[in-house]
Amino acid sequence: GAGVSQSPSNKVTEKGKDVELRCDPISGHTALYWYRQSLGQGLEFLIYFQGNSAPDKSGLPSDRFSAERTGGSVSTLTIQRTQQEDSAVYLCASSRRGGEAREQYFGPGTRLTVT
Amino acid sequence: KNQVEQSPQSLIILEGKNCTLQCNYTVSPFSNLRWYKQDTGRGPVSLTIMTFSENTKSNGRYTATLDADTKQSSLHITASQLSDSASYICVVSASEASGGSYIPTFGRGTSLIVHP
Repeated sequence: GAGVSQSPSNKVTEKGKDVELRCDPISGHTALYWYRQSLGQGLEFLIYFQGNSAPDKSGLPSDRFSAERTGGSVSTLTIQRTQQEDSAVYLCASSRRGGEAREQYFGPGTRLTVT
Repeated sequence: KNQVEQSPQSLIILEGKNCTLQCNYTVSPFSNLRWYKQDTGRGPVSLTIMTFSENTKSNGRYTATLDADTKQSSLHITASQLSDSASYICVVSASEASGGSYIPTFGRGTSLIVHP
């Protein structure tokens, strides 16, 4: 079956512009995570959606970052007024509900470059 | 604070050789540990998962070990191939049932390059 897909694969934007990154999780997966991966750094948790529960936004680095998940499926991560330090690879992952051993299936990521 | 430390940061080996990657963690209460392989330009893919009671688990040429007492894990790659060139990430999850965070803790990864 289809895995997690993300679009665009690459995005170059000017400082100050807004960007939207999209994630299509695996069908039937109720949990969805967004991470940021900067060069030489581990994955940084941004936000977590689980079913219809309120999302865990504790990892969002500033109020310029927001995310939504429509209909329990597709998710969009929005970064407003982008800054150069926002340049990174943004990874989305989904998993089945239940159990601490749940495996996260990752998308290929969106490489964001802010000039 | 939950932390995962990996070593070495990078490693270069010749094709056909073996290598071992290390992971130390302080995540508590411990639930499980995964090793992921991340090829360039792709998302991480799970190689193995180990819980508290498991000491060793293999997946083809990959063998992971876990010492829950010393909070250490290793990933051993046997007879390396060019396709093994990737970043290997150690990820530790806490026990939600015991009050731990459901957000896993990621190491920074070991970058492995296999030369012909």
